[in-house]
Amino acid sequence: SQQGEEDPQALSIQEGENATMNCSYKTSINNLQWYRQNSGRGLVHLILIRSNEREKHSGRLRVTLDTSKKSSSLLITASRAADTASYFCATEFNFGNEKLTFGTGTRLTIIP
Amino acid sequence: DVKVTQSSRYLVKRTGEKVFLECVQDMDHENMFWYRQDPGLGLRLIYFSYDVKMKEKGDIPEGYSVSREKKERFSLILESASTNQTSMYLCAAAQYSSYNEQFFGPGTRLTVL
Repeated sequence: SQQGEEDPQALSIQEGENATMNCSYKTSINNLQWYRQNSGRGLVHLILIRSNEREKHSGRLRVTLDTSKKSSSLLITASRAADTASYFCATEFNFGNEKLTFGTGTRLTIIP
Repeated sequence: DVKVTQSSRYLVKRTGEKVFLECVQDMDHENMFWYRQDPGLGLRLIYFSYDVKMKEKGDIPEGYSVSREKKERFSLILESASTNQTSMYLCAAAQYSSYNEQFFGPGTRLTVL
């Protein structure tokens, strides 16, 4: 399968701490995206990083990409209760058909 | 912001019924997608469409068909629903090019009895 895999599957931290999630994939990519899903809802796009970028920031989010290791990480700093959700990485592979392949997700719980 | 709506949040059908799931987007995006989401399996692509009347199979098209008669509307059809199609179904829309985010609808939780 070309599906990405997130690690860990579940993560619980105290409010205010930083949360780090990792994503690994198997083939060359055009870009990698991170999405958030609140319980029982649709996904919301968080950030996109292109294959020629190594790091990207958006507010409290920091994403890194290591194409040599075929991996990415999502860091959420100063976590809040509202960050409780599932987080998915999604990869667009480099044959340009605009499809995304999603990982299985990390369930993040922020403990107030 | 792009708004993607799905016809039902919850749906209960019986085995063998024909089921229609409707998805509508309001921002003139070319690409539309249908996924199903199951615990431990993440999102899996069923079908996608990059233009009116155009469709391509995703990773798990068996037991499903789609229709895109108008640009804003993408329908998923279960010709004869089975219990293994009980799942959360998510529709998404995106602009036609790489490096574009997908905008998701709220999902339809389908239960087939």
